[in-house]
Amino acid sequence: GAGVSQSPSNKVTEKGKDVELRCDPISGHTALYWYRQSLGQGLEFLIYFQGNSAPDKSGLPSDRFSAERTGGSVSTLTIQRTQQEDSAVYLCASSTSSGGAGELFFGEGSRLTVL
Amino acid sequence: AQKVTQAQTEISVVEKEDVTLDCVYETRDTTYYLFWYKQPPSGELVFLIRRNSFDEQNEISGRYSWNFQKSTSSFNFTITASQVVDSAVYFCALSEARRGNEKLTFGTGTRLTIIP
Repeated sequence: GAGVSQSPSNKVTEKGKDVELRCDPISGHTALYWYRQSLGQGLEFLIYFQGNSAPDKSGLPSDRFSAERTGGSVSTLTIQRTQQEDSAVYLCASSTSSGGAGELFFGEGSRLTVL
Repeated sequence: AQKVTQAQTEISVVEKEDVTLDCVYETRDTTYYLFWYKQPPSGELVFLIRRNSFDEQNEISGRYSWNFQKSTSSFNFTITASQVVDSAVYFCALSEARRGNEKLTFGTGTRLTIIP
């Protein structure tokens, strides 16, 4: 498809398990973002990739969270030893522009529920 | 540090009424970008508008209009003659243009309900 694709769309896991969330950005988009949206809350920035530059990891809430972007395209967000407070919708977005000006195209999100 | 405040958590209006969504921002930079996004019940955020800090001209797009005032650090969004399809959560966002600090900071959103 032409849009940002995220998988899985829904994930239910047990506390303490690791999870991986995948994002496939729009082809040609150099910038890729991960955000987290908790129930009824705004969007919390997690991490930002731009081309070959070092990612901006300033939003990752703990060292249990990590993300990588392979080949400048697909990205995986990994949460280790999940906790109940990790339950949220994880949104990925991509953009063509650097310098903060780009319109972000969002995926439909991955809803994570930690029991 | 950059910050976006949307003081209105929820707004309900009757269809065809006009409604304004407020957005106030904080930034130390002189060059920055402001955005509005719409999140309908389906969940996928949709881009509405982008303004850069050097362009204070107000913009109108159909029933939508935006009022950017640097003097008050505000970027308000008005929907005229509201329709049920306008029901959604609306997010205001800010990005600074300094390389290496390009993340988009969102407000907490305003849930708009249009009552038929």
